[in-house]
Amino acid sequence: DSGVTQTPKHLITATGQRVTLRCSPRSGDLSVYWYQQSLDQGLQFLIQYYNGEERAKGNILERFSAQQFPDLHSELNLSSLELGDSALYFCASSTGQSETQYFGPGTRLLVL
Amino acid sequence: GQNIDQPTEMTATEGAIVQINCTYQTSGFNGLFWYQQHAGEAPTFLSYNVLDGLEEKGRFSSFLSRSKGYSYLLLKELQMKDSASYLCAVRDISNDYKLSFGAGTTVTVRA
Repeated sequence: DSGVTQTPKHLITATGQRVTLRCSPRSGDLSVYWYQQSLDQGLQFLIQYYNGEERAKGNILERFSAQQFPDLHSELNLSSLELGDSALYFCASSTGQSETQYFGPGTRLLVL
Repeated sequence: GQNIDQPTEMTATEGAIVQINCTYQTSGFNGLFWYQQHAGEAPTFLSYNVLDGLEEKGRFSSFLSRSKGYSYLLLKELQMKDSASYLCAVRDISNDYKLSFGAGTTVTVRA
């Protein structure tokens, strides 16, 4: 158990819908990272927040957005969902801006 | 960006040794990580190298050569539970310290 928690574990929704994924970092960690993992793409970095501020951005679609709250938990919002958004979404956290990242258990999203 | 290459699959026998190679190209190297990932589960941190040489951690060791853009993960005394995907990831200063992951090497341990 890495100490990073994510909810929900599974999510099934329809195309065009919007969902919110939630992540709580390890105690004391200030950075939160979001990754997408699909079968044909591997683990892709989406976005990083550090102490409430956006720190780095990867190949995140405009339909996706994230934020980190004052209590350091983070949410990833996915809107106008498409079939291709079906994937595992992982959150990771680290103490600072570039230390070792520890991953949560992931949210498996299925868009039908 | 980074090009990170690792073999797609490897098979080994229980009790044996397997070496997973990773080569990378990056403009601002700032560390290389190895993660283990069982199917459908979270990646689990195994090792970190930032200086050249070998880091040993129990049955797992990781080696880095920065001049060659090369690392390997050595798994000794293989156990069935070591069957998993092993991900090589590189951190790049010139890329906001982002971690870029290789596609992973699926290791299958056979009895």
